[in-house]
Amino acid sequence: DTAVSQTPKYLVTQMGNDKSIKCEQNLGHDTMYWYKQDSKKFLKIMFSYNNKELIINETVPNRFSPKSPDKAHLNLHINSLELGDSAVYFCASSPRQARYEQYFGPGTRLTVT
Amino acid sequence: ILNVEQSPQSLHVQEGDSTNFTCSFPSSNFYALHWYRWETAKSPEALFVMTLNGDEKKKGRISATLNTKEGYSYLYIKGSQPEDSATYLCAFYSHGNKLVFGAGTILRVKS
Repeated sequence: DTAVSQTPKYLVTQMGNDKSIKCEQNLGHDTMYWYKQDSKKFLKIMFSYNNKELIINETVPNRFSPKSPDKAHLNLHINSLELGDSAVYFCASSPRQARYEQYFGPGTRLTVT
Repeated sequence: ILNVEQSPQSLHVQEGDSTNFTCSFPSSNFYALHWYRWETAKSPEALFVMTLNGDEKKKGRISATLNTKEGYSYLYIKGSQPEDSATYLCAFYSHGNKLVFGAGTILRVKS
């Protein structure tokens, strides 16, 4: 059973389009995260939700909007995609907030052309 | 701005060698230090979460130590094997509910 799953795994799209990435965890965790792996391979936090409530919102363009319909799901919607949005996006979850180990999804490689 | 530094950036060793890497982090407002192992084409997997000064944790041939007063942690691998080849990430957690990751140390073990 996959603990943290993301769909799609690969996403190729054109500039200006709107796209969504979905994340689901079956671990019963309270907290979920979105990370972006930048061009230098750093993992940087974008958003975090705890029990469907937004608790971290880093300096991310407002074209990025997370949505958590329930505590097992955290989706990422991106409007008006730009070339610079090309990256690998990782979803993660943890039992509570970041003091506990995080479980990562397989990543979604987004390519904007 | 929180800064987490890892060294070396990369390391090539022979099978059977023991090796260690360093993670440096701010010594104030410490809450926890995480180590993750990240194999190519996979996602990061947690190795250790350390919270107390002087903590030592071990998992098989891998162990880690923590010094929160001076702001560093060491990760040791004893008798490296080719399957240990991966990027090893550390991440610092202070108040603010977020992990700040270092750039990682890339380990390649040659057989």
